Amino acid sequence: GQNIDQPTEMTATEGAIVQINCTYQTSGFNGLFWYQQHAGEAPTFLSYNVLDGLEEKGRFSSFLSRSKGYSYLLLKELQMKDSASYLCAVRDSGSNDYKLSFGAGTTVTVRA
Amino acid sequence: EAQVTQNPRYLITVTGKKLTVTCSQNMNHEYMSWYRQDPGLGLRQIYYSMNVEVTDKGDVPEGYKVSRKEKRNFPLILESPSPNQTSLYFCASSSLAGWVQNGAKNIQYFGAGTRLSVL
Repeated sequence: GQNIDQPTEMTATEGAIVQINCTYQTSGFNGLFWYQQHAGEAPTFLSYNVLDGLEEKGRFSSFLSRSKGYSYLLLKELQMKDSASYLCAVRDSGSNDYKLSFGAGTTVTVRA
Repeated sequence: EAQVTQNPRYLITVTGKKLTVTCSQNMNHEYMSWYRQDPGLGLRQIYYSMNVEVTDKGDVPEGYKVSRKEKRNFPLILESPSPNQTSLYFCASSSLAGWVQNGAKNIQYFGAGTRLSVL
């Protein structure tokens, strides 16, 4: 099974940087995803890591260390529209199980 | 436009009255899945399907049924809903192209959600 932990809430100021950490313990690993979810809406894909290192996409970056079971999502130059929940999800590597397990999500509030 | 469509978006029902939430995708995806989302618990998988006529239980399947008679549709059936099934439900789909090889991205795309209240 999977155990995925991320902080419940974070608050930051517009223009600042926020780092959301995610730790996981899994029986197998075949990729880590970050999704953004605005209140009452569908999760939307942000980033994907399967190898160690940093993936950068505009204001958002995601890092993975498989040996430490650790990832973070970095949000730079925060904007008010970045206020949302951020979900860390890990995909298992079972041969017949294409399973994505989600953490409970981190609610980020951006203040003016 | 590529999308996952769920209906209805909102539903209030009473205990024991059978209901079906429909899900349809137009991306020719092999994989489809149902999740429920509850405060503090995140998204939990109910059932998933790897292809037509292939379905399997997720983490919280009790009280739910699914079917996959066509590739594009994956309805969620609550035969006898109970108040503990009050939740926000999401359907998702993804391609399985290359999934047996490590590293294939295969992003899951989500529907807009169905907010269900069982009284």
